[in-house]
Amino acid sequence: EAGVTQFPSHSVIEKGQTVTLRCDPISGHDNLYWYRRVMGKEIKFLLHFVKESKQDESGMPNNRFLAERTGGTYSTLKVQPAELEDSGVYFCASSPHRDTQYFGPGTRLTVL
Amino acid sequence: AQSVTQLDSQVPVFEEAPVELRCNYSSSVSVYLFWYVQYPNQGLQLLLKYLSGSTLVKGINGFEAEFNKSQTSFHLRKPSVHISDTAEYFCAVSDQWTGNQFYFGTGTSLTVIP
Repeated sequence: EAGVTQFPSHSVIEKGQTVTLRCDPISGHDNLYWYRRVMGKEIKFLLHFVKESKQDESGMPNNRFLAERTGGTYSTLKVQPAELEDSGVYFCASSPHRDTQYFGPGTRLTVL
Repeated sequence: AQSVTQLDSQVPVFEEAPVELRCNYSSSVSVYLFWYVQYPNQGLQLLLKYLSGSTLVKGINGFEAEFNKSQTSFHLRKPSVHISDTAEYFCAVSDQWTGNQFYFGTGTSLTVIP
């Protein structure tokens, strides 16, 4: 069974540019989560999809972040325009039920 | 909201020695508890989990953890570490009833010294 995949693995952009991160969950997992780890700090929740619907987006830092999950399959997280403080590692996780979450390898975003 | 404390940010230990990585959480409500491991240049891998039942949980690679409700702790242990255990370890907690977001600690970097 394929795990959670994320693309790209690394992204370096300049302040003010736009970046789109993609997550492909494990097939059949209705729950999809986004998290972010800023350097040295804890991994923090951003939002939760159930199929294509946003269940909880309380962790989204501001309106420069937009997440979508088309057709309840893969998800994208767009940052527009990017700021320096958006740098960090963005993790995606999926789950068939609301207990165990399976994480992807993460996307390391660097905003210069 | 939960908060998770991993008191030790870095733990050096000699090969074949025992290790304990500590994790405490804030809330006394019913919780699910997890330990994840991140090896260098890799993603988060589930090490073990407590959902219900026996408070002593065994995971992969010889790790185990004990859920202590009265002390709101879920410490991770291994009786004899190997060089390959060098990694960052994260404790995570979720509310059993809402079960949405995970709350993570800041991580513990375990370095096994040959």
